[in-house]
Amino acid sequence: GENVEQHPSTLSVQEGDSAVIKCTYSDSASNYFPWYKQELGKRPQLIIDIRSNVGEKKDQRIAVTLNKTAKHFSLHITETQPEDSAVYFCAASRARNQFYFGTGTSLTVIP
Amino acid sequence: SQTIHQWPATLVQPVGSPLSLECTVEGTSNPNLYWYRQAAGRGLQLLFYSIGIGQISSEVPQNLSASRPQDRQFILSSKKLLLSDSGFYLCAIVRGSKNTEAFFGQGTRLTVV
Repeated sequence: GENVEQHPSTLSVQEGDSAVIKCTYSDSASNYFPWYKQELGKRPQLIIDIRSNVGEKKDQRIAVTLNKTAKHFSLHITETQPEDSAVYFCAASRARNQFYFGTGTSLTVIP
Repeated sequence: SQTIHQWPATLVQPVGSPLSLECTVEGTSNPNLYWYRQAAGRGLQLLFYSIGIGQISSEVPQNLSASRPQDRQFILSSKKLLLSDSGFYLCAIVRGSKNTEAFFGQGTRLTVV
């Protein structure tokens, strides 16, 4: 099966700075890469995604990049705010039936 | 719109006791259903998925089992819980116009003592 690795496991940034989370995957057939945000005690929720035919996607302060050759993708959050503090998960999917998640990154934005 | 009901929200069970967690889905028919476990330091681990009634695929060999007795009902069970079964259990479906969003229920936090 697919193996998704995610780094770092914890990340602290000052408010206003940028945060970058990186993931790698093993299955070259994976073609869909979503990112989820999980606030404390709540369920993970989709925040942005990217497909294999696109190299970069942006939504306001959040952007994702994908390098299919190297099998890695990244989440970039600019101008971080305290409400960005949460656990972020990357995932890889190829069949739309199965999602394989990374181990999560706990992001803390320091006011 | 689709909704997922999971219960109970929290559960404390002794080692060796049985387990039954239930997930029901509304607003969709014939959904793909998933059980994930979130344990400390291990992210979201896919345990089981089902593409139809009575059809269960297991991703990780373990002390747990799953069943799908009805189209929109997914049950996670164990005959004898282990300490390592503690975690946050999430039921999920795939939704969206392109069936690409993994949508989660509110989860059940299980503590085995």
